[in-house]
Amino acid sequence: GQQLNQSPQSMFIQEGEDVSMNCTSSSIFNTWLWYKQDPGEGPVLLIALYKAGELTSNGRLTAQFGITRKDSFLNISASIPSDVGIYFCAKPGSQGNLIFGKGTKLSVKP
Amino acid sequence: GAGVSQSPRYKVAKRGQDVALRCDPISGHVSLFWYQQALGQGPEFLTYFQNEAQLDKSGLPSDRFFAERPEGSVSTLKIQRTQQEDSAVYLCASSLAPLNTEAFFGQGTRLTVV
Repeated sequence: GQQLNQSPQSMFIQEGEDVSMNCTSSSIFNTWLWYKQDPGEGPVLLIALYKAGELTSNGRLTAQFGITRKDSFLNISASIPSDVGIYFCAKPGSQGNLIFGKGTKLSVKP
Repeated sequence: GAGVSQSPRYKVAKRGQDVALRCDPISGHVSLFWYQQALGQGPEFLTYFQNEAQLDKSGLPSDRFFAERPEGSVSTLKIQRTQQEDSAVYLCASSLAPLNTEAFFGQGTRLTVV
């Protein structure tokens, strides 16, 4: 079963807002990965984190690997409509496979 | 092609029917993974190939599921006697080297069993 807890489960954004989501686990990891999945598509890797405390940016996205190695957060600054989708955190399994959280769904505010 | 290609994109099967889902990984990628994604969930690992060898099939939910990659490139996931609970999106991913976590995913095949 899933071992990664993502929050929030869903959130609504207004264009221009900053967005923050996080992922926690009861066990220690050496790698955190953040993926985005658009409707009808497969997940796409956004950011990979390999060291505790590491802070990495990819354009308007910033992710950090928690010092305790049990959590990570993803921030999106100045959101735009194409940011909507589902964001997954993931950790590597024993064979290089990925273990995913349940995702945080980003939608546009009505 | 440049990316991972899966076919068909959509498949509707009657309960009890056998289905075969195809994955064309990125050329030269050694590792190939199959995942099952139920509605509202994250992808869940099914099986892993390194070249033509199936090194891990611990995620396959039952013996009705079978995967192969006979020549170390194209892979097929076969589901026999489909059941309604098999309805999901089946994702294929490939990566250049074993234990390389930067995998590239296909668009998936959405299977609906009626």
